[in-house]
Amino acid sequence: KAGVTQTPRYLIKTRGQQVTLSCSPISGHRSVSWYQQTPGQGLQFLFEYFSETQRNKGNFPGRFSGRQFSNSRSEMNVSTLELGDSALYLCASRRTGALDEQFFGPGTRLTVL
Amino acid sequence: GDSVTQMEGPVTLSEEAFLTINCTYTATGYPSLFWYVQYPGEGLQLLLKATKADDKGSNKGFEATYRKETTSFHLEKGSVQVSDSAVYFCALSERNYGQNFVFGPGTRLSVLP
Repeated sequence: KAGVTQTPRYLIKTRGQQVTLSCSPISGHRSVSWYQQTPGQGLQFLFEYFSETQRNKGNFPGRFSGRQFSNSRSEMNVSTLELGDSALYLCASRRTGALDEQFFGPGTRLTVL
Repeated sequence: GDSVTQMEGPVTLSEEAFLTINCTYTATGYPSLFWYVQYPGEGLQLLLKATKADDKGSNKGFEATYRKETTSFHLEKGSVQVSDSAVYFCALSERNYGQNFVFGPGTRLSVLP
């Protein structure tokens, strides 16, 4: 069974630009969550999508948004990029509920110059 | 809100030494507890989990016991190998669909030959 895939793996942007990251979950998984990982803040939860609906949201500004498609693939978008948005963005999928194991993708490394 | 505290390290051990990484949590409900491992350049992988008090999770020689009375989930391994060098994250997930994972800050482990 294929794992969680994320594209692109690396991205370099400049301040003020916007970026879209993509995540394809494991087949049959309906929940997709996004996390931001930085050396200073660690792993922080961004949001979770389940059946095309945002089910939970972390404490991030509105510049961070996401969506999920009918095939469970998900995208997250960051507008008006800031230097502090440089991070590893991890996507995780699970079948449905809170007790299901989360499977993580390799991440997208975003660098904002 | 929920939180996870763990020793941040870095922890440096010699091969075959005994490993303990402490993890304590604060939760409003009755969470499931997890240990994830992140190898260099990769996403997170589930190492082990426990879903109720006194459960012991184990995998690849690692063990952790869910201690409700001390709100702890310490990770142990009797004899570490160089290949265990990685960052270890303790995490919890509440037992409802709306709550997502809360991760600790991670503990970097280096095992020297």
